[in-house]
Amino acid sequence: DSGVTQTPKHLITATGQRVTLRCSPRSGDLSVYWYQQSLDQGLQFLIQYYNGEERAKGNILERFSAQQFPDLHSELNLSSLELGDSALYFCASSKEGGHGEQYFGPGTRLTVT
Amino acid sequence: GQQVMQIPQYQHVQEGEDFTTYCNSSTTLSNIQWYKQRPGGHPVFLIQLVKSGEVKKQKRLTFQFGEAKKNSSLHITATQTTDVGTYFCAGPLGGSYIPTFGRGTSLIVHP
Repeated sequence: DSGVTQTPKHLITATGQRVTLRCSPRSGDLSVYWYQQSLDQGLQFLIQYYNGEERAKGNILERFSAQQFPDLHSELNLSSLELGDSALYFCASSKEGGHGEQYFGPGTRLTVT
Repeated sequence: GQQVMQIPQYQHVQEGEDFTTYCNSSTTLSNIQWYKQRPGGHPVFLIQLVKSGEVKKQKRLTFQFGEAKKNSSLHITATQTTDVGTYFCAGPLGGSYIPTFGRGTSLIVHP
């Protein structure tokens, strides 16, 4: 158990819909990262928040957005969903803003039908 | 573009055999991290290497960082069925500090 929690575990939704994925980092960790893992693209970095502020952006689509709240939990919002958005979405946390090890949560498996 | 390459993509071994996965970058890396993901699980941090030529051991696992800091390897001695999973290397590219993950090497151990 990494100490990072993610909800829900599984999500099945239809194309065009919007979903919200939630992540709570390990106690004391200020940084949250979101990743998308699919068979054809591997583990892709989406976005990072540090202490409530966006710190780095990766391959995140404009239809996706995220935020980190004062209690440091984070949410990833995916809208206008397409079949290709079906993937595992991982949240990871670390103590500081970068360079260090990341602790991954169990992931949310999103299926878009 | 800049990327982190890993080979092989898959490796089947008999239990007790050794296993090595290789990671290569097109540019010099400030550090390299290794993660393991069990089937159905999430990536778990194994180690971070920072120095040129660094070698670190964790029981049967040996991690190396190349002299030029462009390549790394993970060697497992005498594999066990508990070693099954996908091993990822990750390193920051292009001035970013966010690690870019390789595609991973999936290790299958046959008892």
